[in-house]
Amino acid sequence: QVQLVQSGAEVKKPGASVKVSCKASGYTFSTYVIQWVRQAPGQRLEWMGWISAANGDTKYSQRFQGRVTITRDTSASTAYMELSSLGSEDTAVYYCARGSPFDPWGQGTLVTVSS
Amino acid sequence: DIQMTQSPSTLSASVGDRVTITCRASQSISSSLAWYQQEPGKAPKLLIYKASSLESGVPSRFSGSGSGTEFTLTISSLQPDDFATYYCQHYHSYPYTFGQGTKLEIK
Repeated sequence: QVQLVQSGAEVKKPGASVKVSCKASGYTFSTYVIQWVRQAPGQRLEWMGWISAANGDTKYSQRFQGRVTITRDTSASTAYMELSSLGSEDTAVYYCARGSPFDPWGQGTLVTVSS
Repeated sequence: DIQMTQSPSTLSASVGDRVTITCRASQSISSSLAWYQQEPGKAPKLLIYKASSLESGVPSRFSGSGSGTEFTLTISSLQPDDFATYYCQHYHSYPYTFGQGTKLEIK
């Protein structure tokens, strides 16, 4: 079955960076984009960007432009989302998802930013 | 950015009830709208895409309608598993945005 499995929870200090992975299985990785979405506590879901697994093209939300980098490793069927210059407002669960609309989703990765 | 507004934010209902959730877009998004269900502590799950197409494996009691700026998600007869939070999302243009969510509670 199609599955996206994300890396584990992270705790980071303000100003640091975090890199979250998303490993795909059950389908041909290169045939879909991988999306990244986050959900801060009590907030709505927020789209961050996507990467084409086929050619590596990316599209980022302007809100995160300059701070987010999405990459992929086709040999490992894995996508990565790196967010830099972390602040407390970046504390959230980060999700990857396949395609558009988004289906399925990874299980989520909690990133906590705290001094 | 296109703003997505759901109503109500909270809905209390009983098993067997028919319920409707509304999602309004701040400008036309044609039929580029999806609905997701999120249970506490879990990832969202796709229910409806292209405003009215039922995702494979999703029970037929879920249905979607609308186009342009106004959309609805209807659950024809609530089941215990349906008490969750529901989000609409447009994918018409960038940035994709979500509604604030509708929490469906047991009355």
